[in-house]
Amino acid sequence: DTGVSQDPRHKITKRGQNVTFRCDPISEHNRLYWYRQTLGQGPEFLTYFQNEAQLEKSRLLSDRFSAERPKGSFSTLEIQRTEQGDSAMYLCASSSGSGYGYTFGSGTRLTVV
Amino acid sequence: GESVGLHLPTLSVQEGDNSIINCAYSNSASDYFIWYKQESGKGPQFIIDIRSNMDKRQGQRVTVLLNKTVKHLSLQIAATQPGDSAVYFCAENCPNFNKFYFGSGTKLNVKP
Repeated sequence: DTGVSQDPRHKITKRGQNVTFRCDPISEHNRLYWYRQTLGQGPEFLTYFQNEAQLEKSRLLSDRFSAERPKGSFSTLEIQRTEQGDSAMYLCASSSGSGYGYTFGSGTRLTVV
Repeated sequence: GESVGLHLPTLSVQEGDNSIINCAYSNSASDYFIWYKQESGKGPQFIIDIRSNMDKRQGQRVTVLLNKTVKHLSLQIAATQPGDSAVYFCAENCPNFNKFYFGSGTKLNVKP
């Protein structure tokens, strides 16, 4: 286990389509986070899980967004009915818990055309 | 306690010089801070961290300074190298929020 893996690295989709991203965290990390990053900005928090429980969601996460971590290991982030404003880098990170730093994946770059 | 990102400032330095990148954080209750480095097309990479019971911490070629009085964090990079060129983010963690908030970042450009 060499780090946090995200798949795909890049995704181009047409407006209105659904997309799903996957994140595989570091295996011994019980916390998993999703962030979104637009060009020239820092990462913005979307949601996080402790094991399989989704403990917090940002108001940035509209009804079109849903995240799961069914077995407390990998996580998926789905965006339904994509809009051009969803174009961004979606970053996943994991940590050992509160008060510990994150290890980030390389991100999934979403482009909605 | 969210830090709001604005325009991305750029710092240009000559190879071999020392670099200082500054960050103002927003929440006086934040007790843990991290500097991340992000290269183009990659995720942020941990550089160095500091907790609020310290005011200075050193790593290899990097030093982080924390001034809680004015809510200011700085990252010093000694003998800057071309490989240091990237965007640098500070992140703050408040115990009540269970997550990190990121600043908008500073782009470091190292000229050979």
